[in-house]
Amino acid sequence: QLQLQESGPGLVKPSETLSLTCSVSGGSISTSDDYWVWIRQPPGKGLEWIGSVYYNGRTDQNPSLKSRSTISVDTSKNHFFLNLRSVTAADTAVYYCARDRKYCDGDKCYFYGMDVWGRGTTVTVSS
Amino acid sequence: SYELTQPPSVSVSPGQTARITCSGDALPKKYAYWYQQKSGQAPFLVIYEDNKRPSGIPERFSGSSSGTMATLTINGAQVEDEADYHCYSTDFSGTHWVFGGGTKLTVL
Repeated sequence: QLQLQESGPGLVKPSETLSLTCSVSGGSISTSDDYWVWIRQPPGKGLEWIGSVYYNGRTDQNPSLKSRSTISVDTSKNHFFLNLRSVTAADTAVYYCARDRKYCDGDKCYFYGMDVWGRGTTVTVSS
Repeated sequence: SYELTQPPSVSVSPGQTARITCSGDALPKKYAYWYQQKSGQAPFLVIYEDNKRPSGIPERFSGSSSGTMATLTINGAQVEDEADYHCYSTDFSGTHWVFGGGTKLTVL
């Protein structure tokens, strides 16, 4: 059974870099069917898509965060990562990682939706 | 930037039908997904590709989409359905995904 687990520091100082790891167990991160996604949720607010990464390193990212964020994958460790630079209090949130599975019909591809999620990790930006 | 708009709250009595809407300009061409999130928990997929239910999701949950609006319907809402519901879809590019603001469903 596929499981995802976020890890990283719970407290980050303003202007520093937030670095999170999502560890994938019970399955391989290298499958061609899966995209690996980062999502966050500020306290009391809605969900925000941060971006996704494919096993070959291809990424799609939220334009509003793209200048500060890097999403990457390490297939040898079955992990994927989020780095968010120059953080401010507005980056305080619960950060989730998730799996989205795609399928293709001819030259068009579609998604089944994010069916496996980590429990989330709380990151606070404060001095 | 692309936006999906949901009502902040919906309230129904147990056994009634709850409808939660999500509007977005790209919805005529892009699928909508719906996630349920109970307090303190990670979101959970309840509808994908507008109207498909993942395995294990009760039949009272259904989805539809017409024009620029997608709708999550809960027929015979139960107290345990009380949660935040988030719609999710992509912009016209197909590579930038967006969540709606979320709708708090109250069943009482």
